[in-house]
Amino acid sequence: KAGVTQTPRYLIKTRGQQVTLSCSPISGHRSVSWYQQTPGQGLQFLFEYFSETQRNKGNFPGRFSGRQFSNSRSEMNVSTLELGDSALYLCASSLGGNGSPLHFGNGTRLTVT
Amino acid sequence: GQNIDQPTEMTATEGAIVQINCTYQTSGFNGLFWYQQHAGEAPTFLSYNVLDGLEEKGRFSSFLSRSKGYSYLLLKELQMKDSASYLCAVAHLYNQGGKLIFGQGTELSVKP
Repeated sequence: KAGVTQTPRYLIKTRGQQVTLSCSPISGHRSVSWYQQTPGQGLQFLFEYFSETQRNKGNFPGRFSGRQFSNSRSEMNVSTLELGDSALYLCASSLGGNGSPLHFGNGTRLTVT
Repeated sequence: GQNIDQPTEMTATEGAIVQINCTYQTSGFNGLFWYQQHAGEAPTFLSYNVLDGLEEKGRFSSFLSRSKGYSYLLLKELQMKDSASYLCAVAHLYNQGGKLIFGQGTELSVKP
C-alpha cells in the first residue's frame, strides 16, 4: 500500500510570494490533516479536511488555507509569505474516526528568504 | 486550553529500559497518541490509549492514567535504532480525527 506522498520535498520562496503544497493520502483515507513543524514550536495543527470539507482548524492566520478534492488529495496554500513561515509542512492521512492513527508524509521543507 | 509536558532529552544505554513521561492538561480528553520521529523523517505511529491502563506492543508499551493526566512510553531492550524523538499527542473530546495537540517531543539518545 503506497504511503502519504507530499510534493515538492523542498521549496525556496521569497517574502511576499505565495506557495501551494500538495498531498496524496493513503488510498481509502478520507481525512487529510496539515501540520507545521519548527524547532521552536514543534508540531502545530493547521487544519483537517474530511470528505472535501474543513472539519477542524488550528490557530493560524488566514494566509494559510487548504482544500480537498473528491479523490481525497489535498492542497495547502500560503499567501504573502513571511520569514517565519519557514518550516517543515507535514501532511497526514487517516480513516478519520476518533483514535484513528495519523499516517504522515515526509513533508515539504519550505524556506522563505 | 491544552498543555502537554514531556522531558526535552533523555539518554539510555543499549539493552536497557527507558520510560518517557508525558503529562497533559486539557479541558476535554479523547485519547493520547505516541509517535516516533527519526531525524529528517516523518513521525510514525506507535500507540494509542484512551482507557486507563497499559497497552503492550512488543518492545514498546504505553500507559495512561486519565485521572492524573499522565502517560508514559516504555521502551525495553533498547537498540541503537531507537534513538529518535518521541512525541506525545492528545486528542480533544470535541475534535474528531486529525486534530492532535503535540508535546515538544523527547529526544532519546541510545548509547552503546
